[in-house]
Amino acid sequence: GAVVSQHPSWVICKSGTSVKIECRSLDFQATTMFWYRQFPKQSLMLMATSNEGSKATYEQGVEKDKFLINHASLTLSTLTVTSAHPEDSSFYICSARERWDSEQYFGPGTRLTVT
Amino acid sequence: QKEVEQDPGPLSVPEGAIVSLNCTYSNSAFQYFMWYRQYSRKGPELLMYTYSSGNKEDGRFTAQVDKSSKYISLFIRDSQPSDSATYLCASQSSASKIIFGSGTRLSIRP
Repeated sequence: GAVVSQHPSWVICKSGTSVKIECRSLDFQATTMFWYRQFPKQSLMLMATSNEGSKATYEQGVEKDKFLINHASLTLSTLTVTSAHPEDSSFYICSARERWDSEQYFGPGTRLTVT
Repeated sequence: QKEVEQDPGPLSVPEGAIVSLNCTYSNSAFQYFMWYRQYSRKGPELLMYTYSSGNKEDGRFTAQVDKSSKYISLFIRDSQPSDSATYLCASQSSASKIIFGSGTRLSIRP
């Protein structure tokens, strides 16, 4: 199957700082990328959907000014957590698909710890 | 009410046993039903994909969907310790977002 990578796999940052997470589709062009958040022992919750070259569509309750998403190319999307706080500590997972009817491939996740 | 409900477990069975994992859903518009396997601290990987009602078999894994009762099942035959993971059921209507269950933690005892 297709491969989606994330970088970094694990990051610790101090409260009030910003952190950027990258998501790359390695062997296909992703017209759509998704960002999920997963708290311990809970399911994946969709945060936002981004189409290449367009502004991201955020789910209800997700602050777009806090979670900045950029999908500037067909193989790269970034999620920036601005002014991070301990409650933002979570497992962030991206996924990507080539077309609207294609399978969504998931990245390995990024564990964010805010101290 | 959550759109996709799943018993979180944990579920522990001996190696070689048949495992049955189940979910229910509430949205009649769901047409696509998936099972994902997620190992600890990893992203989910698609295990089974079913369109509408029916059965689908892939090796030791069988997925069943009963749209009349809104019930989704995954059966694992001859379970192995390497099957120990969290299993997420998921559903989707056409061109909409995937809705995940909360996941069932499965442990296969050698």
